[in-house]
Parts: sequence; C-alpha cells; structure tokens
Amino acid sequence: DAKTTQPPSMDCAEGRAANLPCNHSTISGNEYVYWYRQIHSQGPQYIIHGLKNNETNEMASLIITEDRKSSTLILPHATLRDTAVYYCIVRVGGGADGLTFGKGTHLIIQP
Amino acid sequence: GAVVSQHPSWVICKSGTSVKIECRSLDFQATTMFWYRQFPKQSLMLMATSNEGSKATYEQGVEKDKFLINHASLTLSTLTVTSAHPEDSSFYICSARDRDRPNQPQHFGDGTRLSIL
Repeated sequence: DAKTTQPPSMDCAEGRAANLPCNHSTISGNEYVYWYRQIHSQGPQYIIHGLKNNETNEMASLIITEDRKSSTLILPHATLRDTAVYYCIVRVGGGADGLTFGKGTHLIIQP
Repeated sequence: GAVVSQHPSWVICKSGTSVKIECRSLDFQATTMFWYRQFPKQSLMLMATSNEGSKATYEQGVEKDKFLINHASLTLSTLTVTSAHPEDSSFYICSARDRDRPNQPQHFGDGTRLSIL
C-alpha cells in the first residue's frame, strides 16, 4: 500500500469546516483513498473513500486532486464529537489484506 | 449498518493467565477477520489475519503460539493471549470483511482493553 503523510494535529472551531489534508504522492492507479477516524478508546470508524472523483456522504466530503497525489477530508460543520484521530489510508479497492494505519491527524474541535 | 461486536470490552488479569477475546460479525458473514493491537499514543498495528476454516496468518514479529486465533464460523473469530504478561497489556481491536460485499470497507469492533497485572 502507498504511504501517506498527514499533519500530526489540527485545531478547528466548533461549527466551522474542518479540512484535513493527506499526501499520497506514490499512489497507484488502482488504489483508493480511505478515511477512518478513531475516537478515544473506540475502534476505528469508516468515514468515506474515493478513487479519483470527489465524494460526499452524510459524514464528510472527500476532495482528491487531479493528479491524485493528495486529498482533503472535509467535515462541513465540525462538532465537539468530531474530536478524534483521523487516518488517511491508501489501498487497492476491495483488498483482502488488513489495513496499514499511519499516525493520523489528531483533530481537536474547540468550543 | 454492519456491526462488529467485541467481547469483553475490558479485562484485567493476573500475569500468567490466558485471556480470550471474541470478535463477532452481527449482521453479515465474514470469511476474513483481522486482529490489531494498539499501545498508548500509538497507531493500530495489524497482528494477524483470521481465515474461516483455515489457519491464521501472522504479521512479522507476532508470535503465533502466544496469540492463538480461531475462526471456527463465519461470524466469530477469537484471539487468545496465552500466558499473558504486563507487556501484553494493550488495546486489541478486530475488523471484519463482509464476504458478500468484499468491496465495502472493513468494519471495526470497539476494541478490548487488556490490562495484565
């Protein structure tokens, strides 16, 4: 799986949009970008994934650059409950292997 | 949505005892489940892949005789930490892959916090 780089931590004010960047410059053509988050003392929660088009669901939006070397996860209206570690993972879609987690970004939502 | 349940959610044991952790897929069948370990302030590390009806495959550096995995049905995998010692204290998390929807993201349990005294 391709390696990803994320900032170790970010702050965001409650009610504002949280934009979390991820660099994946060695991504292969058949690899998707997945985002998970882990709230303290819980298991990871799937957020969203995409291949090359921008994606949106009820939790977040995913913006992938045209060259696919980076992406941004957007939480449109952050709440205190969005405080968590966010992991960007690149892997082949439907892959049968376990996930490789980097260090992620610790997002802290400030009241 | 798909749910993966882990039991127990936390356990405290004396050094030298064996501890079994269960991972169940509640509304789907999983031929493949994964076990991870997470130490404080660190990321999740894949320990092993549990395959229904066959032997588990372990990541490099993970002792298969120490961490016994059994995946006897399509909805249950168990991880047994044998002769546990304080250095085995960690947060153990499982995930499962839906057999009928293999392209869907893996679903994670809420983890088991193991403390060995």
